[in-house]
Amino acid sequence: DTAVSQTPKYLVTQMGNDKSIKCEQNLGHDTMYWYKQDSKKFLKIMFSYNNKELIINETVPNRFSPKSPDKAHLNLHINSLELGDSAVYFCASSWTSSGTGELFFGEGSRLTVL
Amino acid sequence: TQLLEQSPQFLSIQEGENLTVYCNSSSVFSSLQWYRQEPGEGPVLLVTVVTGGEVKKLKRLTFQFGDARKDSSLHITAAQPGDTGLYLCAGTGTASKLTFGTGTRLQVTL
Repeated sequence: DTAVSQTPKYLVTQMGNDKSIKCEQNLGHDTMYWYKQDSKKFLKIMFSYNNKELIINETVPNRFSPKSPDKAHLNLHINSLELGDSAVYFCASSWTSSGTGELFFGEGSRLTVL
Repeated sequence: TQLLEQSPQFLSIQEGENLTVYCNSSSVFSSLQWYRQEPGEGPVLLVTVVTGGEVKKLKRLTFQFGDARKDSSLHITAAQPGDTGLYLCAGTGTASKLTFGTGTRLQVTL
């Protein structure tokens, strides 16, 4: 069983469209994250949720809206997609929100905006 | 903003060579992690170091946390093609946030 799974793995869409990426973890972790990895492979945190509560919200355009229906799921909805949104988006989870625990990552969702 | 600069950015070596990757910051971190990421996959944790001066060994990999907890290094002995990947350091700083380094891409050829 995949510990952290995200769908879709690939997403190609036109500028201006709205898209969602879903993430589920079966590890029983309390904390989930969304990271963005750009073309230079820099991994930057976007959001973090602890037990469905938003705890980290970096400087991300409000076109990006995370939603955590329960602690095992964290989805990311993006409105009005722009070219600069093209990247690989990683979902991750950890036992705690302390920042010291191991992060378990999904395989990533590669978003290409044309 | 706490920044972690890794060097070198790219490293291409032959099997059997030794190498060191550096992770530097002007900020103090309460702990530091090293991850390896292979193409098409998410990063996977290699090690966590928490004490200044700490050295941890994982087979041919040796990790060190600087005395002042501002920097770290990863040394690989006798590199193998299976070591190929993107190596990322990540430090826990203010607000319990994990900040990733700029990454080092390692290619080990036969």
